[in-house]
Amino acid sequence: DTAVSQTPKYLVTQMGNDKSIKCEQNLGHDTMYWYKQDSKKFLKIMFSYNNKELIINETVPNRFSPKSPDKAHLNLHINSLELGDSAVYFCASSQAEGGRGAKNIQYFGAGTRLSVL
Amino acid sequence: GQQVMQIPQYQHVQEGEDFTTYCNSSTTLSNIQWYKQRPGGHPVFLIQLVKSGEVKKQKRLTFQFGEAKKNSSLHITATQTTDVGTYFCADVTPLVFGKGTRLSVIA
Repeated sequence: DTAVSQTPKYLVTQMGNDKSIKCEQNLGHDTMYWYKQDSKKFLKIMFSYNNKELIINETVPNRFSPKSPDKAHLNLHINSLELGDSAVYFCASSQAEGGRGAKNIQYFGAGTRLSVL
Repeated sequence: GQQVMQIPQYQHVQEGEDFTTYCNSSTTLSNIQWYKQRPGGHPVFLIQLVKSGEVKKQKRLTFQFGEAKKNSSLHITATQTTDVGTYFCADVTPLVFGKGTRLSVIA
């Protein structure tokens, strides 16, 4: 079984559309994350959720909204897609957030490659 | 905000040569994690360093944490084509990733 799974793997859409990416983890972790990786491979954290509460929200446009129905799922909804949103989006999870020990090791999904035309 | 600087951005080596990537911060790092991302893949956790001056080894990979906990390095001895990918360091608290070093290995 895949520990962190995200769908779809590829997403091609037109500017202005609204789209969602789904993420599920079966590791029993308390914290989930969304990352954006651009064409230069820079990995930028967008959001993290801990027990259904948003705990990090970097300077991300409010067109991006994370939705967590339960601690095993963290979906990413994007409104009014723009060309600059084209990137690979990774979902990840960790047992906890911050601190020492192995609880903050991140497990990444396979990524969703979003292309906005 | 806090920044974690990683150098070099790219490195091309002949197979069998050594490779090192460095991670630096102007502020004290909490814990440092290292991840590897193969081309077309996703980041995979390699190791976490917690203590000042800590050194850990995984086969041909050696990870170091600076005495002042402001820098870290990953050294690969005798690179192989399987080492190709992008190596990221990350400070854990707050969670900040370096920009990565992309390693190419020429057979």
